[in-house]
Amino acid sequence: DAEITQSPRHKITETGRQVTLACHQTWNHNNMFWYRQDLGHGLRLIHYSYGVQDTNKGEVSDGYSVSRSNTEDLPLTLESAASSQTSVYFCASSESSGAGGAFFGQGTRLTVV
Amino acid sequence: GQQVMQIPQYQHVQEGEDFTTYCNSSTTLSNIQWYKQRPGGHPVFLIQLVKSGEVKKQKRLTFQFGEAKKNSSLHITATQTTDVGTYFCAGFGNNFNKFYFGSGTKLNVKP
Repeated sequence: DAEITQSPRHKITETGRQVTLACHQTWNHNNMFWYRQDLGHGLRLIHYSYGVQDTNKGEVSDGYSVSRSNTEDLPLTLESAASSQTSVYFCASSESSGAGGAFFGQGTRLTVV
Repeated sequence: GQQVMQIPQYQHVQEGEDFTTYCNSSTTLSNIQWYKQRPGGHPVFLIQLVKSGEVKKQKRLTFQFGEAKKNSSLHITATQTTDVGTYFCAGFGNNFNKFYFGSGTKLNVKP
């Protein structure tokens, strides 16, 4: 069965360190998204991609970057982790039209100390 | 820019009572989707509405898409403890191929 997986599921890192969160999907979806979820803020879009070599900034992209070298993966990098980036991160993918909805990974809980 | 507002933020009901959450967009949407997130889990796609005025049902859940395709609602009849979670609407914009999520409604059901 097709799926979308995130790793690691939990991560503790120190302020200033570079961190990369992995996202891998086997749906063969063109669209991939990264969201962060914090209490009181719902799901906020960080970056998204419509296909290989395409990346776009979302509403809260400062301090984050992504790259899309193939269809299956969209890793999210925190260039220099800050305590404000402590959050739960969700990766999602969808068909180009959005039909059928977005499929979410299990999430990564990141703590920056 | 595109905004999707959702109310209420929280709802506490007694088991058996009904529940409704509302979603409003600042612009016309090509479709609206609804998701459920259980505590500690990830959002799970429930349904998509595409047509103006569309109504869809899933057992005790009724979903509506407004005539102007700018608002939507989710109604749960006779809530059960298994309905506990946060319900999100998400609009897929006409000009932008991405999801605009509402802030979610957290439902708590007391047995």
